Amino acid sequence: DAMVIQNPRYQVTQFGKPVTLSCSQTLNHNVMYWYQQKSSQAPKLLFHYYDKDFNNEADTPDNFQSRRPNTSFCFLDIRSPGLGDAAMYLCATSRERGRGAEAFFGQGTRLTVV
Amino acid sequence: TQLLEQSPQFLSIQEGENLTVYCNSSSVFSSLQWYRQEPGEGPVLLVTVVTGGEVKKLKRLTFQFGDARKDSSLHITAAQPGDTGLYLCAGARAGGTSYGKLTFGQGTILTVHP
Repeated sequence: DAMVIQNPRYQVTQFGKPVTLSCSQTLNHNVMYWYQQKSSQAPKLLFHYYDKDFNNEADTPDNFQSRRPNTSFCFLDIRSPGLGDAAMYLCATSRERGRGAEAFFGQGTRLTVV
Repeated sequence: TQLLEQSPQFLSIQEGENLTVYCNSSSVFSSLQWYRQEPGEGPVLLVTVVTGGEVKKLKRLTFQFGDARKDSSLHITAAQPGDTGLYLCAGARAGGTSYGKLTFGQGTILTVHP
């Protein structure tokens, strides 16, 4: 059974048109992460939530926002997508932060900007 | 500066050969995880190592965590075409403001030819 579910799997959006990607989890994990991954590169952390505590990476563009309305759901909002934002977006969860905290990833959403 | 140096970046071998992927850092990690990712999918956790010197085996895969918890290796014996994929190491920082956050290596793209 899928534990971290991302919707949609594929998203096509127009340049400058706001888009929202969603992630849900059935693991009841405290921590949820959003990563951006470009072709054959390592995932790059955008931000994470520890419960309701939001932690933004210093180099995450302001164009990217996130919401976590409850434990199970987390959203990635891209306010004005540019061509450079085309990538795979990965959601992950972990029970805790710290020693041995394993991250479980969703299948990702492939974003295309046209 | 890349916190986790993963090598080699590309590996193309014949079925039946052995290989080793390395993950090195000057930083200490509370734990280190190895993932395998197939095209268009999210990373799948293979193993987590938490104790310096720890060795874990998963069928033909052997994972080792360095004594000082700064480096790790993944050894595959008798590689098969099904092993093809992107292998990622990721370390959870031991302390400070980055506590618990996963930092990924650049990844190793492994291709095993029949």
